[in-house]
Amino acid sequence: GAVVSQHPSWVICKSGTSVKIECRSLDFQATTMFWYRQFPKQSLMLMATSNEGSKATYEQGVEKDKFLINHASLTLSTLTVTSAHPEDSSFYICSARGPSTNEKLFFGSGTQLSVL
Amino acid sequence: QKEVEQNSGPLSVPEGAIASLNCTYSDRGSQSFFWYRQYSGKSPELIMSIYSNGDKEDGRFTAQLNKASQYVSLLIRDSQPSDSATYLCAGSGGSNYKLTFGKGTLLTVNP
Repeated sequence: GAVVSQHPSWVICKSGTSVKIECRSLDFQATTMFWYRQFPKQSLMLMATSNEGSKATYEQGVEKDKFLINHASLTLSTLTVTSAHPEDSSFYICSARGPSTNEKLFFGSGTQLSVL
Repeated sequence: QKEVEQNSGPLSVPEGAIASLNCTYSDRGSQSFFWYRQYSGKSPELIMSIYSNGDKEDGRFTAQLNKASQYVSLLIRDSQPSDSATYLCAGSGGSNYKLTFGKGTLLTVNP
């Protein structure tokens, strides 16, 4: 299957700081990337959808000014959690698909964010 | 609202048995369905995809799709302790292929 790399795997930060998470497709062109968050024992919650070169489309209830998404190239998307607070602590997962993946979605390894 | 429903479990089966996981969906426009396996603290891993009615087999895994009844299932034959994980069912449709996930079923295979 296709490979999606996500970094960092985990991050601890102080309240009020910003954190950037990177998601890269290593062996395919990711025309669409999705960002999810997952709380313990809960399912994946879609935060936003980004198409390369376009502004991200955010799901209802997700603050676009707090969760900045950039998808500037066909292999890289970033999620920046601005002014993070303890309630933003969660497992963030990116996923990607492209013309060569036949609708299948491949996931990055996830980032565990802990805001103190 | 598009929904995907799964039995939350937990589902417990003995080693070597068949584990049966079920999923129903509400959006008749959904065309593609996927089963993901997620170990605790890890991201989901694609196991099976199915697009047309009937069965699709891959090793010990068989996915079944019935669009008339709007259900998808996953059978795991000869279950192993390493199969213990949460299994997520997902459906997609539309031009953006946005997946809608179920809440997942926790499977435990007992040695």
